[in-house]
Amino acid sequence: AQKITQTQPGMFVQEKEAVTLDCTYDTSDQSYGLFWYKQPSSGEMIFLIYQGSYDEQNATEGRYSLNFQKARKSANLVISASQLGDSAMYFCAMRLLAGSYQLTFGKGTKLSVIP
Amino acid sequence: KAGVTQTPRYLIKTRGQQVTLSCSPISGHRSVSWYQQTPGQGLQFLFEYFSETQRNKGNFPGRFSGRQFSNSRSEMNVSTLELGDSALYLCASSLGGPQEPQHFGDGTRLSIL
Repeated sequence: AQKITQTQPGMFVQEKEAVTLDCTYDTSDQSYGLFWYKQPSSGEMIFLIYQGSYDEQNATEGRYSLNFQKARKSANLVISASQLGDSAMYFCAMRLLAGSYQLTFGKGTKLSVIP
Repeated sequence: KAGVTQTPRYLIKTRGQQVTLSCSPISGHRSVSWYQQTPGQGLQFLFEYFSETQRNKGNFPGRFSGRQFSNSRSEMNVSTLELGDSALYLCASSLGGPQEPQHFGDGTRLSIL
């Protein structure tokens, strides 16, 4: 079974600063994908970024980048130049690339951006 | 391009009743997944449908069921509602491949009295 651990229940960051949200995962499979989602207070889950286990380069999407360290089984999300609109819950999730396609989510990190 | 649409947004039911939630996926998406989100358990996978067939199922009792229609729209049914079924139910659609991100709707917030 897969497991996602997000150890930071809540974090604060100053506007315009960068912030790193931690995510570690546990799986015995070699082929998997890692996803990050943002959930504002309105409830909708917004897809941010994807990293495949065989991808050699860290994924980037605009202000979001994923610091993927396979040996440590970590997939930390880095948000550069934080904005007030970044205040939300952030979830790390993983899915095996063969077999079950279900997403396994972590408990999430609540990020608050301070003006 | 229209996103994932879930209806209704809010529902209030009493114990013992049943409820049906609806999800219209993004056009062209053939996979629809359902998740339950609660403060205590977080996000938990219910089931996934692909081309009208249930492809995966989570660890929920048989009171939770679903189906998918030929136009990829999906419904989720919960029978004999319990207080613990109060949650945000999220539907997500994707093209179906494992590397494809799932795109979520706004959810249906179900409250059981």
